[in-house]
Amino acid sequence: SAVISQKPSRDICQRGTSLTIQCQVDSQVTMMFWYRQQPGQSLTLIATANQGSEATYESGFVIDKFPISRPNLTFSTLTVSNMSPEDSSIYLCSAVNTEAFFGQGTRLTVV
Amino acid sequence: GNSVTQMEGPVTLSEEAFLTINCTYTATGYPSLFWYVQYPGEGLQLLLKATKADDKGSNKGFEATYRKETTSFHLEKGSVQVSDSAVYFCALRQGGKLIFGQGTELSVKP
Repeated sequence: SAVISQKPSRDICQRGTSLTIQCQVDSQVTMMFWYRQQPGQSLTLIATANQGSEATYESGFVIDKFPISRPNLTFSTLTVSNMSPEDSSIYLCSAVNTEAFFGQGTRLTVV
Repeated sequence: GNSVTQMEGPVTLSEEAFLTINCTYTATGYPSLFWYVQYPGEGLQLLLKATKADDKGSNKGFEATYRKETTSFHLEKGSVQVSDSAVYFCALRQGGKLIFGQGTELSVKP
């Protein structure tokens, strides 16, 4: 199994600012992903974090709004840029080898 | 495209009742299927999985069988407990990516 540490666990941010979320895995993993879980809803895939290259974004998500880095096989960051109240969600990091493991999530509130 | 549809909640049951949460999927090829559980205030945890047709996943008294002919992966438990109260997500996986259903909230009363 893989243990995922995600920081921060929660934050309250002013609109127009940006927040970077970090995801650290305790072992090398093949793939890493970022998901969003809006209040009372399911998880939606934002993007695949590719090691050493640009992330692959799902429909409806763009790099300018959600820049992602993955400098190595155990670490990734997601930035939520120019935030608005509609960005208030839980953001989850996932790491995949044979199984998919999830971090505890970052609960973001934009005011 | 690929998608997962699961039974709407919330579902409220009495302790020791039988549980079924329906899940159907649409996918190209033969994805792996999963049930994840999210307990109040906690992260997402894998509950069980099945990787091919007719496989049965089981864990903690929960079971689900991969039915290719009906494209379903219904979650069942014979006797629920108060501690099973949580949100349950059905998901399929292809190429590493997980596609989730909308989640079903289960509330078990003593």
